[in-house]
Amino acid sequence: SQQGEEDPQALSIQEGENATMNCSYKTSINNLQWYRQNSGRGLVHLILIRSNEREKHSGRLRVTLDTSKKSSSLLITASRAADTASYFCATGIKAAGNKLTFGGGTRVLVKP
Amino acid sequence: KAGVTQTPRYLIKTRGQQVTLSCSPISGHRSVSWYQQTPGQGLQFLFEYFSETQRNKGNFPGRFSGRQFSNSRSEMNVSTLELGDSALYLCASSARGWLEGGTTQGDTQYFGPGTRLTVL
Repeated sequence: SQQGEEDPQALSIQEGENATMNCSYKTSINNLQWYRQNSGRGLVHLILIRSNEREKHSGRLRVTLDTSKKSSSLLITASRAADTASYFCATGIKAAGNKLTFGGGTRVLVKP
Repeated sequence: KAGVTQTPRYLIKTRGQQVTLSCSPISGHRSVSWYQQTPGQGLQFLFEYFSETQRNKGNFPGRFSGRQFSNSRSEMNVSTLELGDSALYLCASSARGWLEGGTTQGDTQYFGPGTRLTVL
């Protein structure tokens, strides 16, 4: 079963707009990681946020984590056509070692 | 550093056959995990190896097995292939495990490009 649920399942925006996607999970976690996947290829790591962190930035990406609500969000600012991809959140818990439990993903289409 | 590499990239097999997939982690990484990705089930964890020992296993039948070598390279094997085994198989490496020095909240997992397995 999947730990995370992502919302929305799909998102279509114009180049230059911001894209926000959310991830909710069910159990307490130690970290949450966001990944990007282009057309059924490998996963590209974007950001890891730990349970004691509330916000992290990397370039045009901003990730927040609210452990009280068991949710995280990924914001992509000033989107580009190259940001078109599927985005996945994945949670890690200490008891499960390095196992990641993935959400279903958000498909993002950035139109030029 | 070179990234995670997986071979082969594409594979076509028939039902009943067996297959072996290979994963070379990032140099210096000791943990290798395997995942199966299908349109219906999404990304699911298969197993994790660390220092040649399986440390965690997902909910897959015994036809799925793996191993890790002393150089951290890992292989996974699927015996008696079924149509439902058609999937993208991804491996991920990370530098340390939970019990290794310094980290108490997990490490970044870096994924390879995957092996696309088609079972006919």
